[in-house]
Formats: sequence, C-alpha cells, structure tokens
Amino acid sequence: DGGITQSPKYLFRKEGQNVTLSCEQNLNHDAMYWYRQDPGQGLRLIYYSQIVNDFQKGDIAEGYSVSREKKESFPLTVTSAQKNPTAFYLCASSTPGLAGQETQYFGPGTRLLVL
Amino acid sequence: GDSVTQMEGPVTLSEEAFLTINCTYTATGYPSLFWYVQYPGEGLQLLLKATKADDKGSNKGFEATYRKETTSFHLEKGSVQVSDSAVYFCALSGDETSYDKVIFGPGTSLSVIP
Repeated sequence: DGGITQSPKYLFRKEGQNVTLSCEQNLNHDAMYWYRQDPGQGLRLIYYSQIVNDFQKGDIAEGYSVSREKKESFPLTVTSAQKNPTAFYLCASSTPGLAGQETQYFGPGTRLLVL
Repeated sequence: GDSVTQMEGPVTLSEEAFLTINCTYTATGYPSLFWYVQYPGEGLQLLLKATKADDKGSNKGFEATYRKETTSFHLEKGSVQVSDSAVYFCALSGDETSYDKVIFGPGTSLSVIP
C-alpha cells in the first residue's frame, strides 16, 4: 500500500539536543512538507520541498532544518535553537496537478516532547 | 493575504443530530477548497474538496458547497455518528502554481455522544 510513514511516533528531546524526525513516502510525489501542530491550533508550515535537492522555508522555519537528498525522504531536524519544540509534527506530500488543486497526503505524525 | 476562518469548537452533538461547521475564506483569484479530518492521534486525511464555484464536494455522508458569493464552504452532515468524532479543518489552495499556497483553518473539534 502506498502512503507516508513517520517515525518515531513519540520522541523525547533533552535540552540542547538536536533530534531528527523521519518522513518517507512511496507515493512518487514530488512535493513534501513539514507542519507543526500545537493544541487547539491549525497547522503551520515549517519547510517544504518541490523537488529533490531543493527546499524552501515556510512560516516558522527558525530552529529547524531539512534535507531532500531522495525523492522519497524528507527528514526534519529540530535543533537546539528551537526553544519551544513540544508539538505534534506532521509530514505531507503532494503531486502536481492543476494549480491549486493538489490534495495533500499526511503521515500519522510524530509527537515531540522535551524532557 | 489569504486566510480561512472556522467556527470555534468544541462542538458536541448527540448521535443522529445534524451537523454544520462553518467555514469562510479570504482569497484572491479562484482557490480550491478542502475539508480535512483528523482522528485522535493521527494525521489529517482529505474528506472532500471543491475546485470551482457552485461545486459540491461529498464523501461519507458529508457535503460542502463552494459559495463564491458568500466566500463560504460550510461542512454539513445529516446524521452524525460517534465515529465522526474528530477535528475538522477547512483549507484553501491558491490558483497560482505554488506549492506553499495551502492555508488551513484552526480546526473545529467535534464530539458525538451516544
């Protein structure tokens, strides 16, 4: 079955530590996204990538970094510069269609907690 | 800039009640409109969408009509079930060729009680 996988489901970070969240898709989608979701709030875009080896900052990129070395993979690193990382992180992908009509497909999410 | 506004929750309904979740938007051009649903502890999944004015999206008994004159895309279901308990997000996607143009509303939490 095609889909998006995220791991781990739960991740604990110590002060000053960098952690990496995994996102893999086998949908052959060109575009991938990372969102942050805080309780009672909508999704905020962290980074997105339209093609391999290229990515752009979203609305809240500070304290995060990404790479896109393979079409299938778009890992997110939460760095020590991100002072409030506790949140639910969602990865999504989409494929080009008519402009503005692309459906985004989401992974199950990773919950990051600070120790 | 473009934005999406949803009715505030949480919404609590009895099983078989009628559901309406209001969504209005502000956008330039002719966006596509979406409803996504998020079940507890999971990611979002597309519920329905409409790509032009007067289109009606429908899925699993849910419906929403793209009303350009009122810039609205309200979600409705005639008879909710306990399994419909989830958070519902209204979203829009611009008509430009730009992957970052998906804007989500804040979400509306729905609880259906037996």
